[in-house]
Amino acid sequence: NAGVTQTPKFRVLKTGQSMTLLCAQDMNHEYMYWYRQDPGMGLRLIHYSVGEGTTAKGEVPDGYNVSRLKKQNFLLGLESAAPSQTSVYFCASSYNPQLAGGSNNEQFFGPGTRLTVL
Amino acid sequence: LAKTTQPISMDSYEGQEVNITCSHNNIATNDYITWYQQFPSQGPRFIIQGYKTKVTNEVASLFIPADRKSSTLSLPRVSLSDTAVYYCLVSGGYNKLIFGAGTRLAVHP
Repeated sequence: NAGVTQTPKFRVLKTGQSMTLLCAQDMNHEYMYWYRQDPGMGLRLIHYSVGEGTTAKGEVPDGYNVSRLKKQNFLLGLESAAPSQTSVYFCASSYNPQLAGGSNNEQFFGPGTRLTVL
Repeated sequence: LAKTTQPISMDSYEGQEVNITCSHNNIATNDYITWYQQFPSQGPRFIIQGYKTKVTNEVASLFIPADRKSSTLSLPRVSLSDTAVYYCLVSGGYNKLIFGAGTRLAVHP
């Protein structure tokens, strides 16, 4: 099993350009997440999904959109990139923590995508 | 949302036991305490999770006092490969995972 994979690994954009980051998982997880991590800081949740066809906002959703058309894929889109979106983006997935009484919220992370916006 | 406070950095030597304490004064009744490890250029990796008392697995122990306002991650006999950032999280559901800045552990020969 590949676990959680992310495409691409690196990308450089100019201000105003758009792009889509792809996350794929092969663990049949219901929940998927997108985080960003800035230098010296922890991860911040951008958007998340609790199942195919559903998405919700996290802590820092502005400037991003997401889609979950298939259970195994979670896409993160930047419609008009800004330098403030320069960051490392991590995707993660997990089983439904609610089914385990809230205790089983272990998230499995991908290797990250390093994005630079000039 | 429960906020966590942990030391910014710690230093240790190979073979020593390392204890990293996390404060979470406003933890909610249904919150669990989870620790993640992150190496440079990699995504975080789950280490251990607990609700109260003590939890132990093959890599670490987690000590949680009765009031649950703090927790301590214990790494026995660390090696150079344990050099990483360690995050303490308190959460009760999927949308409440908040990563702080973490504790940067440096293990020296």
